[in-house]
Amino acid sequence: QKEVEQNSGPLSVPEGAIASLNCTYSDRVSQSFFWYRQYSGKSPELIMSIYSNGDKEDGRFTAQLNKASQYVSLLIRDSQPSDSATYLCAVKGSGGSNYKLTFGKGTLLTVNP
Amino acid sequence: SAVISQKPSRDICQRGTSLTIQCQVDSQVTMMFWYRQQPGQSLTLIATANQGSEATYESGFVIDKFPISRPNLTFSTLTVSNMSPEDSSIYLCSVVTGTMDTEAFFGQGTRLTVV
Repeated sequence: QKEVEQNSGPLSVPEGAIASLNCTYSDRVSQSFFWYRQYSGKSPELIMSIYSNGDKEDGRFTAQLNKASQYVSLLIRDSQPSDSATYLCAVKGSGGSNYKLTFGKGTLLTVNP
Repeated sequence: SAVISQKPSRDICQRGTSLTIQCQVDSQVTMMFWYRQQPGQSLTLIATANQGSEATYESGFVIDKFPISRPNLTFSTLTVSNMSPEDSSIYLCSVVTGTMDTEAFFGQGTRLTVV
Protein backbone atom coordinates (compact mmCIF):
# COMPACT_ATOMS: atom_id res chain seq x y z
CA GLN A 1 0.00 0.00 0.00
CA LYS A 2 1.59 3.24 -1.14
CA GLU A 3 1.32 5.91 1.51
CA VAL A 4 1.74 9.62 1.83
CA GLU A 5 2.11 10.94 5.37
CA GLN A 6 1.57 14.47 6.60
CA ASN A 7 1.36 16.02 10.03
CA SER A 8 -2.35 16.82 10.35
CA GLY A 9 -1.66 19.90 12.44
CA PRO A 10 -3.13 22.30 13.03
CA LEU A 11 -0.07 24.40 12.32
CA SER A 12 -0.45 27.93 13.58
CA VAL A 13 1.93 30.72 12.56
CA PRO A 14 1.80 34.50 12.95
CA GLU A 15 1.32 36.71 9.95
CA GLY A 16 4.62 37.38 8.19
CA ALA A 17 6.30 34.22 9.45
CA ILE A 18 7.48 31.23 7.43
CA ALA A 19 5.17 28.23 7.44
CA SER A 20 6.83 24.86 6.90
CA LEU A 21 4.76 21.90 5.78
CA ASN A 22 6.20 18.40 5.52
CA CYS A 23 5.35 15.20 3.70
CA THR A 24 6.91 11.74 3.44
CA TYR A 25 6.05 9.04 0.94
CA SER A 26 6.59 5.30 0.81
CA ASP A 27 6.99 4.58 -2.92
CA ARG A 28 10.70 4.97 -3.53
CA VAL A 29 10.36 5.18 -7.33
CA SER A 30 7.81 8.03 -7.36
CA GLN A 31 8.89 10.82 -9.69
CA SER A 32 6.25 13.56 -9.42
CA PHE A 33 5.14 15.46 -6.36
CA PHE A 34 2.49 18.10 -5.82
CA TRP A 35 1.15 20.48 -3.23
CA TYR A 36 -2.50 21.43 -3.25
CA ARG A 37 -4.26 24.09 -1.21
CA GLN A 38 -7.83 23.44 -0.14
CA TYR A 39 -9.94 26.12 1.46
CA SER A 40 -12.80 24.94 3.62
CA GLY A 41 -15.72 23.88 1.46
CA LYS A 42 -13.72 24.23 -1.77
CA SER A 43 -11.95 21.81 -4.09
CA PRO A 44 -8.15 21.37 -4.08
CA GLU A 45 -6.11 23.90 -6.03
CA LEU A 46 -2.67 23.02 -7.41
CA ILE A 47 -0.03 25.42 -6.12
CA MET A 48 3.29 23.63 -6.72
CA SER A 49 4.68 20.68 -8.61
CA ILE A 50 8.23 19.36 -8.28
CA TYR A 51 9.99 16.57 -10.12
CA SER A 52 13.72 16.93 -9.32
CA ASN A 53 15.72 16.95 -6.12
CA GLY A 54 16.28 20.39 -4.67
CA ASP A 55 14.24 23.54 -4.37
CA LYS A 56 11.64 25.07 -6.65
CA GLU A 57 10.45 28.58 -5.94
CA ASP A 58 7.27 30.30 -7.11
CA GLY A 59 6.56 33.62 -5.49
CA ARG A 60 6.19 33.12 -1.74
CA PHE A 61 6.13 29.33 -2.13
CA THR A 62 9.14 27.01 -2.18
CA ALA A 63 8.86 23.28 -2.67
CA GLN A 64 11.74 21.09 -1.58
CA LEU A 65 12.30 17.50 -2.67
CA ASN A 66 14.72 14.92 -1.31
CA LYS A 67 14.15 11.60 -3.05
CA ALA A 68 16.82 9.80 -1.03
CA SER A 69 14.93 10.63 2.17
CA GLN A 70 11.51 10.31 0.44
CA TYR A 71 10.63 13.72 1.74
CA VAL A 72 8.81 16.71 0.25
CA SER A 73 8.22 20.02 1.92
CA LEU A 74 6.48 23.31 1.23
CA LEU A 75 7.65 26.61 2.64
CA ILE A 76 5.38 29.63 2.62
CA ARG A 77 7.24 32.88 3.22
CA ASP A 78 5.59 36.03 4.58
CA SER A 79 2.50 34.02 5.53
CA GLN A 80 -0.81 35.82 5.14
CA PRO A 81 -4.18 35.12 6.74
CA SER A 82 -5.39 34.24 3.24
CA ASP A 83 -2.95 31.29 3.31
CA SER A 84 -5.04 29.67 6.04
CA ALA A 85 -6.20 26.41 4.47
CA THR A 86 -5.50 22.70 4.39
CA TYR A 87 -2.43 21.79 2.36
CA LEU A 88 -2.45 18.41 0.66
CA CYS A 89 0.67 16.60 -0.47
CA ALA A 90 0.18 14.32 -3.48
CA VAL A 91 2.50 11.80 -5.08
CA LYS A 92 2.14 10.35 -8.55
CA GLY A 93 2.32 6.59 -8.83
CA SER A 94 4.94 4.55 -10.62
CA GLY A 95 4.91 1.70 -13.10
CA GLY A 96 1.40 0.59 -13.99
CA SER A 97 -0.07 3.13 -11.60
CA ASN A 98 1.83 6.09 -12.99
CA TYR A 99 -1.32 8.02 -13.77
CA LYS A 100 -2.68 7.93 -10.22
CA LEU A 101 -2.23 10.41 -7.42
CA THR A 102 -2.04 9.38 -3.79
CA PHE A 103 -2.91 12.14 -1.36
CA GLY A 104 -1.86 12.69 2.20
CA LYS A 105 -4.49 13.60 4.76
CA GLY A 106 -3.45 17.23 4.70
CA THR A 107 -2.08 19.76 7.15
CA LEU A 108 -4.36 22.50 8.41
CA LEU A 109 -2.52 25.81 8.44
CA THR A 110 -3.78 28.82 10.36
CA VAL A 111 -2.09 32.19 9.89
CA ASN A 112 -2.93 34.55 12.72
CA PRO A 113 -3.13 38.30 12.02
CA SER B 1 -4.77 24.13 -16.73
CA ALA B 2 -8.31 23.02 -17.49
CA VAL B 3 -11.70 24.47 -16.65
CA ILE B 4 -13.88 21.79 -15.13
CA SER B 5 -17.58 22.27 -14.52
CA GLN B 6 -19.21 19.87 -12.12
CA LYS B 7 -22.85 19.69 -11.15
CA PRO B 8 -24.79 19.62 -9.00
CA SER B 9 -22.69 21.50 -6.46
CA ARG B 10 -24.67 19.99 -3.63
CA ASP B 11 -27.66 17.80 -3.00
CA ILE B 12 -29.58 16.21 -0.18
CA CYS B 13 -30.93 12.79 -1.09
CA GLN B 14 -33.07 10.12 0.49
CA ARG B 15 -31.46 6.81 1.28
CA GLY B 16 -32.07 4.16 -1.33
CA THR B 17 -32.11 6.64 -4.21
CA SER B 18 -29.40 7.41 -6.78
CA LEU B 19 -27.68 10.61 -7.81
CA THR B 20 -25.81 11.28 -11.04
CA ILE B 21 -22.99 13.82 -10.99
CA GLN B 22 -21.85 15.43 -14.22
CA CYS B 23 -18.39 16.66 -15.13
CA GLN B 24 -17.64 18.78 -18.20
CA VAL B 25 -14.13 19.82 -19.27
CA ASP B 26 -13.27 22.69 -21.61
CA SER B 27 -10.74 20.61 -23.56
CA GLN B 28 -10.31 17.02 -24.66
CA VAL B 29 -8.60 14.84 -22.08
CA THR B 30 -7.70 11.18 -22.18
CA MET B 31 -8.40 10.27 -18.57
CA MET B 32 -10.87 11.63 -16.08
CA PHE B 33 -10.84 10.69 -12.43
CA TRP B 34 -13.48 10.53 -9.75
CA TYR B 35 -12.52 11.05 -6.10
CA ARG B 36 -14.37 10.94 -2.83
CA GLN B 37 -13.50 13.13 0.13
CA GLN B 38 -15.23 12.12 3.32
CA PRO B 39 -15.58 14.67 6.11
CA GLY B 40 -12.21 15.59 7.58
CA GLN B 41 -10.41 13.13 5.31
CA SER B 42 -8.20 13.32 2.26
CA LEU B 43 -9.08 12.37 -1.28
CA THR B 44 -9.63 8.76 -2.22
CA LEU B 45 -9.66 7.71 -5.87
CA ILE B 46 -12.86 5.91 -6.82
CA ALA B 47 -12.16 5.15 -10.47
CA THR B 48 -10.47 6.25 -13.66
CA ALA B 49 -12.69 6.87 -16.68
CA ASN B 50 -11.28 6.46 -20.19
CA GLN B 51 -13.29 7.30 -23.25
CA GLY B 52 -14.33 4.19 -25.15
CA SER B 53 -13.61 1.69 -22.41
CA GLU B 54 -14.98 0.66 -19.07
CA ALA B 55 -13.88 2.57 -16.03
CA THR B 56 -11.13 1.15 -13.83
CA TYR B 57 -12.19 0.96 -10.20
CA GLU B 58 -9.96 1.13 -7.14
CA SER B 59 -10.05 -1.41 -4.36
CA GLY B 60 -13.21 -1.01 -2.32
CA PHE B 61 -15.26 0.55 -5.10
CA VAL B 62 -17.50 -1.40 -7.48
CA ILE B 63 -19.30 -0.60 -10.70
CA ASP B 64 -22.73 -1.54 -9.35
CA LYS B 65 -22.43 1.10 -6.64
CA PHE B 66 -20.60 3.78 -8.68
CA PRO B 67 -21.40 3.34 -12.37
CA ILE B 68 -19.47 5.74 -14.59
CA SER B 69 -20.06 6.88 -18.13
CA ARG B 70 -17.49 8.49 -20.46
CA PRO B 71 -19.25 9.13 -23.77
CA ASN B 72 -16.61 11.51 -25.17
CA LEU B 73 -13.31 13.20 -24.37
CA THR B 74 -14.84 16.15 -22.52
CA PHE B 75 -17.60 14.64 -20.39
CA SER B 76 -18.17 12.03 -17.71
CA THR B 77 -20.79 11.10 -15.15
CA LEU B 78 -20.60 9.31 -11.83
CA THR B 79 -23.71 7.78 -10.31
CA VAL B 80 -23.92 7.01 -6.61
CA SER B 81 -26.47 4.20 -6.43
CA ASN B 82 -28.73 2.95 -3.67
CA MET B 83 -27.40 5.60 -1.33
CA SER B 84 -26.94 5.27 2.40
CA PRO B 85 -25.84 7.89 4.95
CA GLU B 86 -22.29 6.48 4.66
CA ASP B 87 -22.19 7.85 1.12
CA SER B 88 -22.43 11.40 2.44
CA SER B 89 -19.27 12.95 1.12
CA ILE B 90 -17.79 15.35 -1.38
CA TYR B 91 -17.33 13.85 -4.83
CA LEU B 92 -14.74 15.41 -7.09
CA CYS B 93 -14.03 15.12 -10.79
CA SER B 94 -10.42 15.56 -11.90
CA VAL B 95 -8.39 15.66 -15.11
CA VAL B 96 -4.68 15.53 -15.78
CA THR B 97 -3.01 18.05 -18.07
CA GLY B 98 0.28 19.90 -18.34
CA THR B 99 3.43 19.47 -20.35
CA MET B 100 4.29 16.32 -18.45
CA ASP B 101 0.64 15.23 -18.35
CA THR B 102 0.86 14.95 -14.59
CA GLU B 103 -0.79 18.02 -13.11
CA ALA B 104 -4.27 17.26 -11.83
CA PHE B 105 -7.06 19.81 -11.69
CA PHE B 106 -10.38 19.48 -9.95
CA GLY B 107 -13.96 20.45 -10.47
CA GLN B 108 -15.80 22.38 -7.79
CA GLY B 109 -17.02 19.19 -6.16
CA THR B 110 -20.46 17.86 -5.28
CA ARG B 111 -21.37 17.88 -1.62
CA LEU B 112 -23.76 14.99 -1.09
CA THR B 113 -25.80 14.47 2.05
CA VAL B 114 -27.86 11.29 2.38
CA VAL B 115 -30.67 11.35 4.92
